[in-house]
Amino acid sequence: DTGVSQNPRHKITKRGQNVTFRCDPISEHNRLYWYRQTLGQGPEFLTYFQNEAQLEKSRLLSDRFSAERPKGSFSTLEIQRTEQGDSAMYLCASSLEAGGNEQYFGPGTRLTVT
Amino acid sequence: GQNIDQPTEMTATEGAIVQINCTYQTSGFNGLFWYQQHAGEAPTFLSYNVLDGLEEKGRFSSFLSRSKGYSYLLLKELQMKDSASYLCAVYNTPLVFGKGTRLSVIA
Repeated sequence: DTGVSQNPRHKITKRGQNVTFRCDPISEHNRLYWYRQTLGQGPEFLTYFQNEAQLEKSRLLSDRFSAERPKGSFSTLEIQRTEQGDSAMYLCASSLEAGGNEQYFGPGTRLTVT
Repeated sequence: GQNIDQPTEMTATEGAIVQINCTYQTSGFNGLFWYQQHAGEAPTFLSYNVLDGLEEKGRFSSFLSRSKGYSYLLLKELQMKDSASYLCAVYNTPLVFGKGTRLSVIA
């Protein structure tokens, strides 16, 4: 299967702990996006990369959130000092550069902060 | 600002046709996507419109009017497996999603 993969699929953590998620995009895709989705809502944009460069970050992305894509391939999203409000599905998507190219989504990581 | 509106829920009968509307007001526009999302799963691509008019793909069609800030997704010959949320998203690098329309197909 050469789709977008995300790990872990589920994460339960206690408030105040740090968590890190990984996304492996489709290999030839140079754009990688992170979204967050809560129940009954559409996905909300967090940040995106073109190759290894982080081109845009949402105002939703507080300073507790950081994302990297060090070699322009996989990406990690870290949340420090988690809060209960961080509980959500974290979706990764990838696409070919520019244009209206379809974004392919991974299965997501469901985070529960207790 | 970014504002994308779609109905929250719709119900339709198996075999029927349903139209899901989406209106948008966004600071930029580079096309409009429709995604399908089954409960607990990732969104999957259905259609993309960048020019005005109708795009048809099997049982699914999508229409765009840029001057009116309006799109719709038309689903024909509804099947039970079409029960899902349908997400309208404006491409403005990145995608800006509406809240989704939860469609229930009943027998």
